[in-house]
Amino acid sequence: KQEVTQIPAALSVPEGENLVLNCSFTDSAIYNLQWFRQDPGKGLTSLLLIQSSQREQTSGRLNASLDKSSGRSTLYIAASQPGDSATYLCAVHPYSGAGSYQLTFGKGTKLSVIP
Amino acid sequence: GAGVSQTPSNKVTEKGKYVELRCDPISGHTALYWYRQSLGQGPEFLIYFQGTGAADDSGLPNDRFFAVRPEGSVSTLKIQRTERGDSAVYLCASSFFAGEMNEQYFGPGTRLTVT
Repeated sequence: KQEVTQIPAALSVPEGENLVLNCSFTDSAIYNLQWFRQDPGKGLTSLLLIQSSQREQTSGRLNASLDKSSGRSTLYIAASQPGDSATYLCAVHPYSGAGSYQLTFGKGTKLSVIP
Repeated sequence: GAGVSQTPSNKVTEKGKYVELRCDPISGHTALYWYRQSLGQGPEFLIYFQGTGAADDSGLPNDRFFAVRPEGSVSTLKIQRTERGDSAVYLCASSFFAGEMNEQYFGPGTRLTVT
């Protein structure tokens, strides 16, 4: 059974710092990996999706990398801002044959950026 | 058009009652997914529809949970004889199709509280 772990569970940084969030998964047979942002009491906003054949994706100040063979992904946030404060979730789309397209999520990293 | 919408945003019900949660996917998306997120946890897969049929319902916890999508668009998650343990945020997502490129777009969720 696929398991996704996110470290750290919570992170507090001063504004302007660069930071890295980590995600690991136990089964490397995946279609893709997504990073999401969740604000308190809200749904999920997709940040980046990396296909299994890709090594990284970039969007603005965000860069996500994927090392499928080692079961790891990182989300790099440059020049953090207070508005980046949220919970960041990593999810993998396991390859499990025809008919199954469920995402498996980690528990998230709660990020606080201090002004 | 607009993103995934879910109604109601909040639902409080008494133990033993029946509830229905509604999801309107993004127009043109053929795949629809239901997830459940308990406090402090990542979302967990419940069921996935491709068109009108439930392609994978392996995440439904027991037979009190049922979901339909009769016309291949709007979906309703139905919970019978609710229990306090059913309290969670129920998230709906949709994607253009189900496959390797299937980025899932999430709605804001319905927060269910069973008293």
